[in-house]
Amino acid sequence: QKEVEQDPGPLSVPEGAIVSLNCTYSNSAFQYFMWYRQYSRKGPELLMYTYSSGNKEDGRFTAQVDKSSKYISLFIRDSQPSDSATYLCAISNRDDKIIFGKGTRLHILP
Amino acid sequence: SAVISQKPSRDICQRGTSLTIQCQVDSQVTMMFWYRQQPGQSLTLIATANQGSEATYESGFVIDKFPISRPNLTFSTLTVSNMSPEDSSIYLCSVGGGGGGYTFGSGTRLTVV
Repeated sequence: QKEVEQDPGPLSVPEGAIVSLNCTYSNSAFQYFMWYRQYSRKGPELLMYTYSSGNKEDGRFTAQVDKSSKYISLFIRDSQPSDSATYLCAISNRDDKIIFGKGTRLHILP
Repeated sequence: SAVISQKPSRDICQRGTSLTIQCQVDSQVTMMFWYRQQPGQSLTLIATANQGSEATYESGFVIDKFPISRPNLTFSTLTVSNMSPEDSSIYLCSVGGGGGGYTFGSGTRLTVV
């Protein structure tokens, strides 16, 4: 079983829709949970960083962590064409090594 | 957060040659990380570079193939040696941790022909 599982997509949704992106992980020792956005030909950009179970909101983005189910989610409200990118989940159990999912390619259709 | 300048942004190289990738950070950092992102795959950590000590390599990566330098707290290089087409990938440097996530450079897109 891989340490982090993420559906690669692509996921296509109409503009304005709510997007739900998800990952599962296998090791309950992981404590830090991140979401990165990567545009084509760019490096990953940190979107959300959370330590505990529950929700964390930042503008149109909400990160959700369920440690009991080992499940993390990213919700994007009022999706825009500029949100079209690859979204990578990442987990860590210490500050010097993180494990990434494969990324989900998201297309927001105007 | 730190700003990272990485170069070259892309290169096409002949097999058997070597390429050195540079990573410059606008602030002093203890650890710098080098990742590889193969097509359709997740980011894989190659090694962690600490200033003043040997880099620590992850399983499957060796110093002879990916030598790393870390001459000071703001700069690091990764060399991809004796390249083959299988080395075609995006290589990224990163800094961060300490409870605040990580910042990545824009990456080097390497094609080996």
